Amino acid sequence: NAGVTQTPKFQVLKTGQSMTLQCAQDMNHEYMSWYRQDPGMGLRLIHYSVGAGITDQGEVPNGYNVSRSTTEDFPLRLLSAAPSQTSVYFCASSDTVGEQYFGPGTRLTVT
Amino acid sequence: AQKITQTQPGMFVQEKEAVTLDCTYDTSDQSYGLFWYKQPSSGEMIFLIYQGSYDEQNATEGRYSLNFQKARKSANLVISASQLGDSAMYFCAIKSYNQGGKLIFGQGTELSVKP
Repeated sequence: NAGVTQTPKFQVLKTGQSMTLQCAQDMNHEYMSWYRQDPGMGLRLIHYSVGAGITDQGEVPNGYNVSRSTTEDFPLRLLSAAPSQTSVYFCASSDTVGEQYFGPGTRLTVT
Repeated sequence: AQKITQTQPGMFVQEKEAVTLDCTYDTSDQSYGLFWYKQPSSGEMIFLIYQGSYDEQNATEGRYSLNFQKARKSANLVISASQLGDSAMYFCAIKSYNQGGKLIFGQGTELSVKP
């Protein structure tokens, strides 16, 4: 049972480049979400999904796109990376009531 | 909108003593859950304890307990018999069950355990 997996673990981008952060879970959770964590701060919700085909914006959605074509996968797309998007990104999944299970995180640096 | 406030950016505690980490919340929903997570320096998020808004008894999990005061909208984490391995960031979070499980975090408290 892998839980929540994220790839890559580390990524360096140049300003203006695009990329997709991958997230997958094998617990059949309906709810998935993406957070970013800046140094010394808490986790801020970027986008979330309550099921396949359904996504919504969180607290800091600008500059990011998501889609949810399957229950298992929830990729996060950066269309045109900016230095302000340098952060650690966490993907998480849960059922509606229970705890959220987090992936190991992706450390992204935009130069 | 939901909000979590953690007013203690940093805390120190002597090894083997108890420590309380404060958390207050704001929500207009009646059905919600409160969560505490630990984030050690290695970066992973570790679930510690959960309290549902309708739970009448305070939650406990080993050395962790949650002091839930619904009228005051507070959900403080109590760690008993602190250990050096408890040194980490601690985050309080709220999930509204009317909003599909969206989890909102506070800013966190950095706990340092002194030998």
